[in-house]
Amino acid sequence: KQEVTQIPAALSVPEGENLVLNCSFTDSAIYNLQWFRQDPGKGLTSLLLIQSSQREQTSGRLNASLDKSSGRSTLYIAASQPGDSATYLCAVGGSGGYQKVTFGTGTKLQVIP
Amino acid sequence: AAGVIQSPRHLIKEKRETATLKCYPIPRHDTVYWYQQGPGQDPQFLISFYEKMQSDKGSIPDRFSAQQFSDYHSELNMSSLELGDSALYFCASSLRSSTDTQYFGPGTRLTVL
Repeated sequence: KQEVTQIPAALSVPEGENLVLNCSFTDSAIYNLQWFRQDPGKGLTSLLLIQSSQREQTSGRLNASLDKSSGRSTLYIAASQPGDSATYLCAVGGSGGYQKVTFGTGTKLQVIP
Repeated sequence: AAGVIQSPRHLIKEKRETATLKCYPIPRHDTVYWYQQGPGQDPQFLISFYEKMQSDKGSIPDRFSAQQFSDYHSELNMSSLELGDSALYFCASSLRSSTDTQYFGPGTRLTVL
């Protein structure tokens, strides 16, 4: 059974700081890995998708990396802004592409102005 | 581009009542997934369908049932509602033959009073 863990569970940083969110998974036979953002009481906003054959993806101030062999992914946020405050979820897609997604426990980020 | 549509967006029910949530996948997508996210928790997989057949099952209570119709939309039926069923219910869709990922809908927030 795939288990996905995110560290830290909560993070508070001053505006402008660069930060790294970590995600680890137990089964390396994954199809892809996706990072989501979720604002309180709201839906899921997809940030970055990394296919299992890829090592990283970038979008604006966000960069996500994937190391399948070690079962790890990181989300790097550059020059953080108060608007980045949200919960960030890592989600691992099972092998085959059509299997369920397993979500991580989430990191609640607060960027202080 | 068309996204996953879920209806209703908000639903309030009393204990022991029945609720039906609907999901309309992205056009041409043949696989639908349901997830439940309780307060302060990460989304948990409930059930999935491929070509109108159940393809995978997670921690879905026996009080819940779901199906996928010929037009590929799906409905999640929840009976004998309990207070603990209050959650955000996400639907996602994908195209099984594609290397693409699951696309998530905005969710239905169910409140059981």
